[in-house]
Amino acid sequence: QVQLVESGGGLVKPGGSLRLSCAASGFTLSDYYMSWIRQAPGKGLEWVSYISSSGIIIYYADSVRGRFTISRDNARNSLYLQMNSLRVEDAAVYYCARARTDREYFYMEVWGKGTTVTVSS
Amino acid sequence: SYELTQPPSVSVSPGQTASITCSGDKLGYKYVCWYQQKPGQSPVLVIYQDTKRPSGIPERFSGSNSGNTATLTISVTQALDEADYYCQAWDSSTVVFGGGTKLTVL
Repeated sequence: QVQLVESGGGLVKPGGSLRLSCAASGFTLSDYYMSWIRQAPGKGLEWVSYISSSGIIIYYADSVRGRFTISRDNARNSLYLQMNSLRVEDAAVYYCARARTDREYFYMEVWGKGTTVTVSS
Repeated sequence: SYELTQPPSVSVSPGQTASITCSGDKLGYKYVCWYQQKPGQSPVLVIYQDTKRPSGIPERFSGSNSGNTATLTISVTQALDEADYYCQAWDSSTVVFGGGTKLTVL
């Protein structure tokens, strides 16, 4: 059964760092693009970043570029999000998702349950 | 940057048809997908590539996209369809979400 399980969330002070992980099972991670999406409390979905199946192609939202780094370890069936210089506005539930993409479309077909990041002094 | 606009809320009576719109510049030239999110749960893909339904999604869910507007249509709406719905497109290699629409079934 296809499953994505996020971990690594928690409470961090502004300016601090956190590393999120996403463990994939039930499918071959190296066959898929993967993405991180976040949702602040009471707010809508916000795309954060995606990475190609090989890790060569990476894109970030403007709001996190230069502070967050997405990576993957296909051998370990894992996706990561290194978050540095965290701000209060980065507080959210962070979801990892398996994506489908071609030149003309990109959508997230499988989502994890999310991990909560709280940024507060 | 590209923007997608959704109405904040839509109401529908049980058994009726609900339509949720998503608008963006020349949106009809892009593929749109839709996600359903119930309180406390992760989003679920209900429509992709404008009109396609993933396995397990009821036929009551359908999509269209033309001009500047994409529409998610839920026919014979049920109480269990009450949720937030988000449209999403892909523009300049980045993922764009609409602001979300809360569907109330009353």
